[in-house]
Amino acid sequence: AQRVTQPEKLLSVFKGAPVELKCNYSYSGSPELFWYVQYSRQRLQLLLRHISRESIKGFTADLNKGETSFHLKKPFAQEEDSAMYYCAFKRVVGAGGTSYGKLTFGQGTILTVHP
Amino acid sequence: GAGVSQSPSNKVTEKGKDVELRCDPISGHTALYWYRQSLGQGLEFLIYFQGNSAPDKSGLPSDRFSAERTGGSVSTLTIQRTQQEDSAVYLCASSLQGSSYEQYFGPGTRLTVT
Repeated sequence: AQRVTQPEKLLSVFKGAPVELKCNYSYSGSPELFWYVQYSRQRLQLLLRHISRESIKGFTADLNKGETSFHLKKPFAQEEDSAMYYCAFKRVVGAGGTSYGKLTFGQGTILTVHP
Repeated sequence: GAGVSQSPSNKVTEKGKDVELRCDPISGHTALYWYRQSLGQGLEFLIYFQGNSAPDKSGLPSDRFSAERTGGSVSTLTIQRTQQEDSAVYLCASSLQGSSYEQYFGPGTRLTVT
């Protein structure tokens, strides 16, 4: 069965420091990977997805199929980045490459950026 | 327009009672998902509705849990004979046309079973 692992429950850095939130997945097929973020008292929202290959709020994530990882990185953390971050996974099935609907989430990492 | 809405925002119930949680998806979204967010388990998938297809119920933890979606819009998650381990935040999400589109989440219903 597919599984997503986020090894760090808590991560603290100082403002301006680089930050990396780790995510590993286990799945033998083709995955679609996402990072979701939940700021204090706000809804869970999509931060980025690997197929977009874009940088959002200075964050990037590269899918490494060899290491089955999708780590989230930002070179200079800001206080407003403090939040809960979830790595999530969808199976890609079918000849057309359709991704199957449900998301499998990791346990989440609480990032705290200190001033 | 309005996002996904859920009601109630908080629900406290006694062990053994039944509860119903409601989700109003974004208008026009054909796919609707329920997830559960708890301290020990993180975010878990519960059930997925896509249009008129049979729902994917593979995430429901027991037969005390059920969900329906009426008219392809509003959904109700029902938990019968609640247990303390059911205490969690129940999140609903919706998306356009199912799998390949972004899921938009509601604010959640915090359920506390005493």
